[in-house]
Amino acid sequence: NAGVMQNPRHLVRRRGQEARLRCSPMKGHSHVYWYRQLPEEGLKFMVYLQKENIIDESGMPKERFSAEFPKEGPSILRIQQVVRGDSAAYFCASSPYGSSGGANEQFFGPGTRLTVL
Amino acid sequence: AQSVSQHNHHVILSEAASLELGCNYSYGGTVNLFWYVQYPGQHLQLLLKYFSGDPLVKGIKGFEAEFIKSKFSFNLRKPSVQWSDTAEYFCAVMLYGQNFVFGPGTRLSVLP
Repeated sequence: NAGVMQNPRHLVRRRGQEARLRCSPMKGHSHVYWYRQLPEEGLKFMVYLQKENIIDESGMPKERFSAEFPKEGPSILRIQQVVRGDSAAYFCASSPYGSSGGANEQFFGPGTRLTVL
Repeated sequence: AQSVSQHNHHVILSEAASLELGCNYSYGGTVNLFWYVQYPGQHLQLLLKYFSGDPLVKGIKGFEAEFIKSKFSFNLRKPSVQWSDTAEYFCAVMLYGQNFVFGPGTRLSVLP
């Protein structure tokens, strides 16, 4: 059973370009979470999605960031008009049940390291 | 505000020394507690977790953690560290019905 997969592993963008980060959850998992890890900081929750639904986006910046988890295919975290401050590692995690299902573990992907020049 | 704190930013130990990493949280309700490890260049891996029952939890690679409800703490311990334990360690808390909140992490460097 393959783990959580993320691609690309490294992404370099110039200021003003768009960044698309992809996450394929573990087989059988329908809940996806995105986190951002800034240098020297812990992981910060961004958004929680189920298939075709955004459940909680309280950690998402109000502008330029969006996320989706379509019925088919991976979850996508999209950052428009990137700025240098967006440089970070973005981690995706998946779980078989949502957090409202009680005790639950999240399985993490290897992350995408975004560098904005 | 809900938060998770980790006492040390960077810990440096020699091999065979004992390890204790502190973690405190600021929630009053029922919580699930986790410790994750991130080895250099790798993704987060679960070390151990506490959901209920025995407050002393044993994880992989000889790690254990003790949940002390009265102190809102979930400290990670290992009796004898190895060079291969060099990594960053994250404490995380999940409230029922909510998402994970991670601590800022503690970087452990083990000197051979």
